Amino acid sequence: AQSVTQPDIHITVSEGASLELRCNYSYGATPYLFWYVQSPGQGLQLLLKYFSGDTLVQGIKGFEAEFKRSQSSFNLRKPSVHWSDAAEYFCAVDNNNDMRFGAGTRLTVKP
Amino acid sequence: DAGITQSPRHKVTETGTPVTLRCHQTENHRYMYWYRQDPGHGLRLIHYSYGVKDTDKGEVSDGYSVSRSKTEDFLLTLESATSSQTSVYFCAISDDKGNLGEKLFFGSGTQLSVL
Repeated sequence: AQSVTQPDIHITVSEGASLELRCNYSYGATPYLFWYVQSPGQGLQLLLKYFSGDTLVQGIKGFEAEFKRSQSSFNLRKPSVHWSDAAEYFCAVDNNNDMRFGAGTRLTVKP
Repeated sequence: DAGITQSPRHKVTETGTPVTLRCHQTENHRYMYWYRQDPGHGLRLIHYSYGVKDTDKGEVSDGYSVSRSKTEDFLLTLESATSSQTSVYFCAISDDKGNLGEKLFFGSGTQLSVL
């Protein structure tokens, strides 16, 4: 079945540490891939997207993500986390205009 | 949020009562969507609209109906609320269905509790 999987429900990192949030998808062809961030009480905001071309994409707020076709993954990374990055992060795929979201990963940032 | 207002922001209701959630946009976007967000499931599409009086079902449409009589308003109705419909509901809009993920803008959500 087609799906988007975020294996980590909750991650805690210290401020200044690096971050990697995992995302795997299972679709026949490579869909369009996205990462969104949701701050408490807010809707989702687009962080970055991958359509084609360079497999390392840059987004807002210093985030980047790498598409790996062989692993069907699209992991989100940030070299140094800030306290304001605490939020919930959603991976999503657009498979022929059918948007599917992962279950989300909640990020806690320790001082 | 890109000119999207959801009302109410919070609602508590009893099982069996009808509930209507409203999404209002000032962007004149053609497409409007209702999602629900539940722990462990992310966002799931309930219904969407591709124009005035044009709507279609999403992934989890059972128990919900929608109406769009004006471009700017998209209503989600729970005819007889059940506890399984306790959730956070998000409205989203888009001016184009192509490359949808890039063009979705979300409201701030409505927290609905059905007791």
